[in-house]
Amino acid sequence: EAGVVQSPRYKIIEKKQPVAFWCNPISGHNTLYWYRQNLGQGPELLIRYENEEAVDDSQLPKDRFSAERLKGVDSTLKIQPAELGDSAVYLCASSLGPAGPQHFGDGTRLSIL
Amino acid sequence: AQSVSQHNHHVILSEAASLELGCNYSYGGTVNLFWYVQYPGQHLQLLLKYFSGDPLVKGIKGFEAEFIKSKFSFNLRKPSVQWSDTAEYFCAVNSGSARQLTFGSGTQLTVLP
Repeated sequence: EAGVVQSPRYKIIEKKQPVAFWCNPISGHNTLYWYRQNLGQGPELLIRYENEEAVDDSQLPKDRFSAERLKGVDSTLKIQPAELGDSAVYLCASSLGPAGPQHFGDGTRLSIL
Repeated sequence: AQSVSQHNHHVILSEAASLELGCNYSYGGTVNLFWYVQYPGQHLQLLLKYFSGDPLVKGIKGFEAEFIKSKFSFNLRKPSVQWSDTAEYFCAVNSGSARQLTFGSGTQLTVLP
């Protein structure tokens, strides 16, 4: 089966600029996750979707981060404006259900200048 | 809130040595436990998982892990490592109520040929 697809793989922007990441989950996976992974740390959940509904966004910094999953398939994560501390790898994952094993994409490595 | 501790940040072994990576979690209820592996330049992959039943679970590539409820531990083991096992290993916990996957900070394993 095709895995979780993310784009772009790398993104370099200047601070205060906007940036967006895209994720296409495994076909049939209703649950989609966005994580942020800082250097030397494990992934930390930003938001979880069940179909098109965001059911857990408690860790999402809502002043600058937004996400959407229109039609319950693809998802985008946006940062506007980006800050130096946002430099990290942004991971997307999907699973059949909220308790199932999660399958991860390759991630987007974001560097803020 | 649940948390996961991986006490070994970097482990260096020679080929054929035995491996044990520690993982402890803090949550008193029912948990699902996972080990993920990230090979250089690749995405996170599921190595093995524990949901219920036999506390000794076997995963891919000869890895196994033992769930010891009284110690809140889920240590990863492999009797004889290979150079190709060089990777970063993450322990993760998903509790039934939170439905949020919490990762440890990871252990970088380097196997010397």
